[in-house]
Amino acid sequence: AQKITQTQPGMFVQEKEAVTLDCTYDTSDQSYGLFWYKQPSSGEMIFLIYQGSYDEQNATEGRYSLNFQKARKSANLVISASQLGDSAMYFCAFSGSYQLTFGKGTKLSVIP
Amino acid sequence: EADIYQTPRYLVIGTGKKITLECSQTMGHDKMYWYQQDPGMELHLIHYSYGVNSTEKGDLSSESTVSRIRTEHFPLTLESARPSHTSQYLCASSELTGGVQETQYFGPGTRLLVL
Repeated sequence: AQKITQTQPGMFVQEKEAVTLDCTYDTSDQSYGLFWYKQPSSGEMIFLIYQGSYDEQNATEGRYSLNFQKARKSANLVISASQLGDSAMYFCAFSGSYQLTFGKGTKLSVIP
Repeated sequence: EADIYQTPRYLVIGTGKKITLECSQTMGHDKMYWYQQDPGMELHLIHYSYGVNSTEKGDLSSESTVSRIRTEHFPLTLESARPSHTSQYLCASSELTGGVQETQYFGPGTRLLVL
């Protein structure tokens, strides 16, 4: 079974600074996907970014980028120029086929 | 991106009541999912469906049941609610991304409190 690990229960970042949220995974699959979701206090899960295992370039979506290091089995999320609205829980998720396995999440707090 | 709706958003109900949590999506996605999430914790898959008349149990054992009679509709039912069912329930549907993986899009969730 796939395992996904987020080692940072909570993180603080100053507004306008960049922050990296860590995510590592364990799999023997060759084809897989890695996802990051944001969950504000209101509860909905918002899809942020996707990286395929065969993608050679790191994924980027606006202020979000995914630092994918396949050999190290890590898929860290980088948020540039943090904003107050970025304060939320962030979940990393692994997909080997159609099912997602979620990490335990990291609570990010942006300080004014 | 999916438009996916859940009702009710919040529900407080007494023990022993039957409840149905509604989930609908307008994107024609075949695959749909139900997750259970306790506050501040990770999501656990409780049910999924590949399409009409297809339902499967997920990794987390649940006393709930689901049905998929129409593509757009995937309701979850608890025949007799108990305090242990208190949680947030998130519905999702997915579409193929990059030709290989499915990206799941979530509804706003239902927060259930059973007294």
